[in-house]
Amino acid sequence: GENVEQHPSTLSVQEGDSAVIKCTYSDSASNYFPWYKQELGKRPQLIIDIRSNVGEKKDQRIAVTLNKTAKHFSLHITETQPEDSAVYFCAARNTGNQFYFGTGTSLTVIP
Amino acid sequence: NAGVTQTPKFQVLKTGQSMTLQCAQDMNHEYMSWYRQDPGMGLRLIHYSVGAGITDQGEVPNGYNVSRSTTEDFPLRLLSAAPSQTSVYFCASNRDAGNNEQFFGPGTRLTVL
Repeated sequence: GENVEQHPSTLSVQEGDSAVIKCTYSDSASNYFPWYKQELGKRPQLIIDIRSNVGEKKDQRIAVTLNKTAKHFSLHITETQPEDSAVYFCAARNTGNQFYFGTGTSLTVIP
Repeated sequence: NAGVTQTPKFQVLKTGQSMTLQCAQDMNHEYMSWYRQDPGMGLRLIHYSVGAGITDQGEVPNGYNVSRSTTEDFPLRLLSAAPSQTSVYFCASNRDAGNNEQFFGPGTRLTVL
């Protein structure tokens, strides 16, 4: 099966700085890579995603990059704000519609 | 649309009891999944379904049963609850193979004593 590893597990940045979270996956057949934000006590919410035929995608302050050869993908948040503080999860979906999640990164943005 | 709904929000069980966690979606999504979330372990897939009448096992299926008699509903049954099943359970759905975005329910926090 798929194995998704996520680093770092915790990340603290100053407001206005950038944050980068990295994930690797093992199944080369995985074709969809979403990123979720989860606030305490809430459900995961999709913030950005990328398909395997795309190398980079950007949505305002958030971007995701995918390197299929190396089997890793990264989340980039620029100009961080206190409301970006949350736990972020990466995931990989295989061709059978099974989603495998990373173990999460707790991001703290210090005002 | 209500999206994905789950009941109950909280539940406390004694070891050996059985119960069913309910999940429903009103978006006509073909695909539905159940996850459990434990501290430091992310979300792990328990069971999933690609359509009414079709279910399959995920990463951690032991101790859980599912059925999918309608497109809308995907209940998760705990046959004999164990303390190791203490967790937060999320149900999710996505439209079909070409529409990947998963929508999550609000979760059920289960404690097994």
